[in-house]
Amino acid sequence: ETGVTQSPTHLIKTRGQQVTLRCSSQSGHNTVSWYQQALGQGPQFIFQYYREEENGRGNFPPRFSGLQFPNYSSELNVNALELDDSALYLCASSMTSGGIGTQYFGPGTRLTVL
Amino acid sequence: SQQGEEDPQALSIQEGENATMNCSYKTSINNLQWYRQNSGRGLVHLILIRSNEREKHSGRLRVTLDTSKKSSSLLITASRAADTASYFCATARGNNAGNMLTFGGGTRLMVKP
Repeated sequence: ETGVTQSPTHLIKTRGQQVTLRCSSQSGHNTVSWYQQALGQGPQFIFQYYREEENGRGNFPPRFSGLQFPNYSSELNVNALELDDSALYLCASSMTSGGIGTQYFGPGTRLTVL
Repeated sequence: SQQGEEDPQALSIQEGENATMNCSYKTSINNLQWYRQNSGRGLVHLILIRSNEREKHSGRLRVTLDTSKKSSSLLITASRAADTASYFCATARGNNAGNMLTFGGGTRLMVKP
């Protein structure tokens, strides 16, 4: 157990809808990163939040957006869902200052878009 | 796009045998990490090796890094059925825990009892 939690565990949506996924970071961690993992592939970096500011973004369109709260928990929002958005969404928390480079992953949210 | 490429994509061995997985990457890195994933669940960090290190051990795991060839290998010795999982290498450009990780496509390991 890493101490990183995600909700919900599973989610089914239809094309065009909007979805919000949530992540609670490990105690003491001020950075949250989100990854998308399609079936049979490695995770792809979506974006990262550090102290409530976006701190890096991967090759994802603007309909993928996020928030980080003062307690360092985070949300991932996806608008206008497409079938290709079906994936496992992983969040990972970490400490930025003097860190050893390890990110601690939550169990993921499985999103299915019909 | 994915930075790393794991080889093989799938590996099936008997319990007690050693398993070796390889990873190649394209750009310069600060460190390389190996993660394990069971059945589409969250990733578990196994080991991190910095660019100035050549070999690292952790229990039954041995990781090597060759920056001249931009490649790394993960060796699991005396494998167990519980080692059945997908294994991913991930590279980080900076020496900061907050930096993004770029993952490869993974090696799916099956250890038969």
